[in-house]
Amino acid sequence: SQQGEEDPQALSIQEGENATMNCSYKTSINNLQWYRQNSGRGLVHLILIRSNEREKHSGRLRVTLDTSKKSSSLLITASRAADTASYFCATDPSGGTSYGKLTFGQGTILTVHP
Amino acid sequence: EAQVTQNPRYLITVTGKKLTVTCSQNMNHEYMSWYRQDPGLGLRQIYYSMNVEVTDKGDVPEGYKVSRKEKRNFPLILESPSPNQTSLYFCASSLWQGASYGYTFGSGTRLTVV
Repeated sequence: SQQGEEDPQALSIQEGENATMNCSYKTSINNLQWYRQNSGRGLVHLILIRSNEREKHSGRLRVTLDTSKKSSSLLITASRAADTASYFCATDPSGGTSYGKLTFGQGTILTVHP
Repeated sequence: EAQVTQNPRYLITVTGKKLTVTCSQNMNHEYMSWYRQDPGLGLRQIYYSMNVEVTDKGDVPEGYKVSRKEKRNFPLILESPSPNQTSLYFCASSLWQGASYGYTFGSGTRLTVV
């Protein structure tokens, strides 16, 4: 089963509104990453937050990480139509022999209406 | 421009006809990986490579082969494709052990096996 599970599965908002997506995971991690995928295209790395960090910002993106609850959230502020895409969280499990294997969630489909 | 290049972008083939999907990166990355993406199943890792001549199985390696003879190239080989290998395939690379630095993804190869 997927390590990361995003919530909601789909989100529809108006341009200018904020979009919040959540991710839950099961095992201990080294870091958690968020990616964006435009329809049928390759995934683009957005932001990485390490297990000892609680919050990180990058432009209009804000990511939080709560390792005690094994959850993360991605906030996109002042959304634009160009933000319409699928968003995935991916976890880098700690320990074991993961060898850098990221495990991806199912994704949240974000639609931003002009 | 730093990138991961996959070819072909689209491929339709018949059952049993051997094919190769090429992947090349120009960032001198050590770590490379192949994923397939299927509706409802998300992204699943097929194979990965930590360096030249070092490859290992991911979660769904059956029916696939890889090789890493040069650092920049990581081809995916389907010796005898079957319809259940119809999928969207992505190659990804990272500086070292993938997860600590985030992946750079190729644009994807949409494979249809009839």
